[in-house]
Parts: sequence; structure tokens; C-alpha cells
Amino acid sequence: AQTVTQSQPEMSVQEAETVTLSCTYDTSESDYYLFWYKQPPSRQMILVIRQEAYKQQNATENRFSVNFQKAAKSFSLKISDSQLGDAAMYFCAYSIQGAQKLVFGQGTRLTINP
Amino acid sequence: NAGVTQTPKFQVLKTGQSMTLQCAQDMNHEYMSWYRQDPGMGLRLIHYSVGAGITDQGEVPNGYNVSRSTTEDFPLRLLSAAPSQTSVYFCASSYSTWGIYEQYFGPGTRLTVT
Repeated sequence: AQTVTQSQPEMSVQEAETVTLSCTYDTSESDYYLFWYKQPPSRQMILVIRQEAYKQQNATENRFSVNFQKAAKSFSLKISDSQLGDAAMYFCAYSIQGAQKLVFGQGTRLTINP
Repeated sequence: NAGVTQTPKFQVLKTGQSMTLQCAQDMNHEYMSWYRQDPGMGLRLIHYSVGAGITDQGEVPNGYNVSRSTTEDFPLRLLSAAPSQTSVYFCASSYSTWGIYEQYFGPGTRLTVT
């Protein structure tokens, strides 16, 4: 069974600085997708970034980028120039190609200090 | 578009009571899912549907029933509520582009079973 592990229950960073959230996963599949979701206090789940396993290039969305290490089964999220609005729970998630089922990690609560 | 809507937002049940959590989407998505979110465990898939009339079990299906009579609606039924079902429930709908599912989440329902 696929598993996703986020080993940092909580992280904090000063506003305008950079923070990296860690995620590792376990799978025997070769085609899969990895996601980072943000959940602010409103509870709404918001897709931050997505990475296709077959792509070697790391995905980037504005201030958010990932470090995808396929051999190490690692998928970290880097947030640059942290803003107060980035404070939220962040979930790493995995799905195999052709399946709509997401497997989530336990989440990391990110606090931004002004 | 309203996106994915869920009702109610909050609910308190007594052990043994039954209820239905409603989920509707207006994006004409074929795929819909139910997840539960518990502290420290991320989101876990309960049931999912790949189209009207077709449903399947996820990771934690026990105690829940679903049906999909229309594309728009995907209700989740608790037949006899138990305290272990206290959780936040999320409905999601998704569409597939080249095997990648873009999931849209509803705002969630917080359920407490006493």
C-alpha cells in the first residue's frame, strides 16, 4: 500500500524568509503524481502545486516550488518570501496514474511570524 | 459556478442516530469522493464514484453508505452513528486530463457524535 509521511508536525518561519516542508512516500508504482495542498483556518483545501513523476523538472508556482527526488521518494515544498497568508496546514498527497484516489500525509502546520 | 457544496456545515448526533451528509457539484465532473479528516492523520478516502450509478470503497468505508443517482449529487449516509465517526468530512469532485485528476474540495462538514 502506498503511504505518505510528513515528519514535521509543526514549522514556523519569519515573514519574508524561506521555509521547506518535507514529505516522503512509499510506492512500487512508476507512474504517479504528487501534490501539496494548503488548508487555511477556513478548512478549504487548496491545491498549491503538482508534480508528475515522469517529469524530471521540479514544478514551480510563483513563490512555491518543489524538490522532487524520485529515487529517494522525497517531495519537499519550498515557500519563498513567506507571507502571513501562507499560514496554514499543508498536506502532501499522492495518487497513481489513472486513479482519482488521493493518499494524504499527516500534515504540517506552518506558522508565519511577523 | 458554486463549485462543490456541502450541507450541513456542522452537525451533532447522538450515538445510534442516522443522517445524510449532502454533497453537490455543478461542474459536470464525473468523479466524486468522500474523505474524512482526523487530527494527526490527514485525509482518508471513504468512498468514491466514477459516474452516476457507480461507487466503490476507499480506505475507511465501514459505517458509511453512498449512492450516485445523478452526476451532480453524492450523499454520504451514516446508518448508525458512532463516536469514532466524529470527524470533518470533505466531499471532492474531479475531472481527468491525461490521467491526472484535478480535485476540487467542498468546505467540509464537522460532525460530532456524542
